[in-house]
Amino acid sequence: QKEVEQNSGPLSVPEGAIASLNCTYSDRGSQSFFWYRQYSGKSPELIMFIYSNGDKEDGRFTAQLNKASQYVSLLIRDSQPSDSATYLCAGSQGGNKLTFGTGTQLKVEL
Amino acid sequence: EAGVAQSPRYKIIEKRQSVAFWCNPISGHATLYWYQQILGQGPKLLIQFQNNGVVDDSQLPKDRFSAERLKGVDSTLKIQPAKLEDSAVYLCASSFGPDIYEQYFGPGTRLTVT
Repeated sequence: QKEVEQNSGPLSVPEGAIASLNCTYSDRGSQSFFWYRQYSGKSPELIMFIYSNGDKEDGRFTAQLNKASQYVSLLIRDSQPSDSATYLCAGSQGGNKLTFGTGTQLKVEL
Repeated sequence: EAGVAQSPRYKIIEKRQSVAFWCNPISGHATLYWYQQILGQGPKLLIQFQNNGVVDDSQLPKDRFSAERLKGVDSTLKIQPAKLEDSAVYLCASSFGPDIYEQYFGPGTRLTVT
């Protein structure tokens, strides 16, 4: 059973729209969650992390965590073509050990 | 600040051969990770070091994979003998510490086993 699940996509949104990326997790022991962006052929880079229920905003990005529903999401406002990438959701039970989902491919179309 | 360095960037070997990957973390980062990323999947943690001690190697196939981090800096990951299913990108990452610190990833080594 996968511990972190994501829809593989691709998710296509028009430029300037809000992209909504979702992730569910099965391990209630997971304490913190991370969103990484990975361009094709490149290594993952951290966008943001969240460990408290609610919303956390950073520029055009908002992470949302609902521990009761075991649900994490990432909203990207004013999507740009440069946001086209695979977005990886990861959960951590502590000790910075990350369990990654398979990633959602986002395509922002002109 | 220099990033995480890895070498080689690409490697092609035949099954049953051995291969080694090298990683140099960001200076001052005590925690080092090796991940395996198979095409179309997310990275899977193989081993985590804190300084030169192993914190977690529960997903490392110990019958063929080994890793070491001598002197708590550079690390080497070895596969011996390689199987076709080992074809993947091997990512090294480092972080300042073992708690909620950003993990910085190196460029990875793309391994193809034929």
